[in-house]
Order: sequence, then structure tokens, then C-alpha cells
Amino acid sequence: GAVVSQHPSRVICKSGTSVKIECRSLDFQATTMFWYRQFPKQSLMLMATSNEGSKATYEQGVEKDKFLINHASLTLSTLTVTSAHPEDSSFYICSAFTAPYGYTFGSGTRLTVV
Amino acid sequence: EDKVVQSPLSLVVHEGDTVTLNCSYEVTNFRSLLWYKQEKKAPTFLFMLTSSGIEKKSGRLSSILDKKELFSILNITATQTGDSAIYLCAVESRMVNDMRFGAGTRLTVKP
Repeated sequence: GAVVSQHPSRVICKSGTSVKIECRSLDFQATTMFWYRQFPKQSLMLMATSNEGSKATYEQGVEKDKFLINHASLTLSTLTVTSAHPEDSSFYICSAFTAPYGYTFGSGTRLTVV
Repeated sequence: EDKVVQSPLSLVVHEGDTVTLNCSYEVTNFRSLLWYKQEKKAPTFLFMLTSSGIEKKSGRLSSILDKKELFSILNITATQTGDSAIYLCAVESRMVNDMRFGAGTRLTVKP
């Protein structure tokens, strides 16, 4: 079955620094990767959609200069939170889409900005 | 390391069937287990379970948690084609305010 490896699982960083989160599809090629952020009351919000080799499509209200998404290969997508602030502290999760598996989710990253 | 394992990874049933989705976990300082349904833009929240043996119900969906055996099940009765989706299980840890997701179960309900 399809597996998506997401790292790190948790990270603490200082305010003003940047943090990179990786999602790797281990045994399949992901044509599309999605990045989500968790909000209060357990809801997850789609931040952006990325296709390999092209620019990510960001959802309304998501700052593309703050949340840099790179999908350089069919097996790797990265989300970089630049100049992180405490309000960026959240849970981030990715998913990869490919036929015939459909969506496969990473296990998530807990980001804490201090 | 903490982990969440869902089974089966995929399931195909016919309308009217009842399905049971499984989620087992190993988490330090368990706080809660959550179920989501992924259809379109983002997973939508279904249930949060914190106590063993108490069933949560919403229409044809129900879920229960067993903290001794470290698993939860999500039941869907009288399935409909609209139930076709990925169902995600996530577990929260009290200790580091952490959350781990399972890989999901892809459910397909055929007419």
C-alpha cells in the first residue's frame, strides 16, 4: 500500500527562524501533494495544493511568501514556514494523491514557535 | 515512537452494507482519538473519543474506543455512495500536545 512519510513529527523553533517540513511518498509517485493546517475544534484547513514541477496553488488567506511549498520531485514535497511566529504554532499534515491509491496522509508535524 | 495504524487500507462494499473501520494506536499519555472523513478540500471532523466504552453516534455513523486494548472502531450502517471517502484516525497525546494520524482507510461504496 501507499505510504507517506512526514518529518519531523514535532519541532520547536525560535520566533523569526524558518522551519522545513518534509513529506515523502515512499513507494509511489505522488502527482499531487496537499498541505493542511489544524485549527481549533479539530478542523483541518487546506493550505495549498502542489503538483510536481509547478508552483503551488494556495488557498485564499494563506500567505504564499510565509508558507513556501516546493514539490521538486514526484516523491518529495516540502513546506517551509518562514520567519515563524508563535501564531504559526499548529499541527501541519500533508497528503499525497495518486491513482489508484487516492489520498494517503502523512502522520503530521506539531510545530511550536517560542 | 508513537504510531497509529488503520485497517483495512481500502474497502469496497455495496450500498446498504455495514462497514467497520479499525484504528489501533500506541501513544504516550493518550488524551483523545479523533475520526475524520476526507472527501474534498480537507478532512472533516466526525468524532472525538476520550473514554472507553462510550459510543458516539451521528446518524448512521458510530464509534467506540477501547483504551485497554488501544483501538477504536468506526461503524457505518446502511452505507450509501456518499459515504465513499477516506476515513482518517488521529490520536492526541497529552504529554507534548502531539497528534499522530493514521494513513487512512479508503472506502468505496458501489451502487
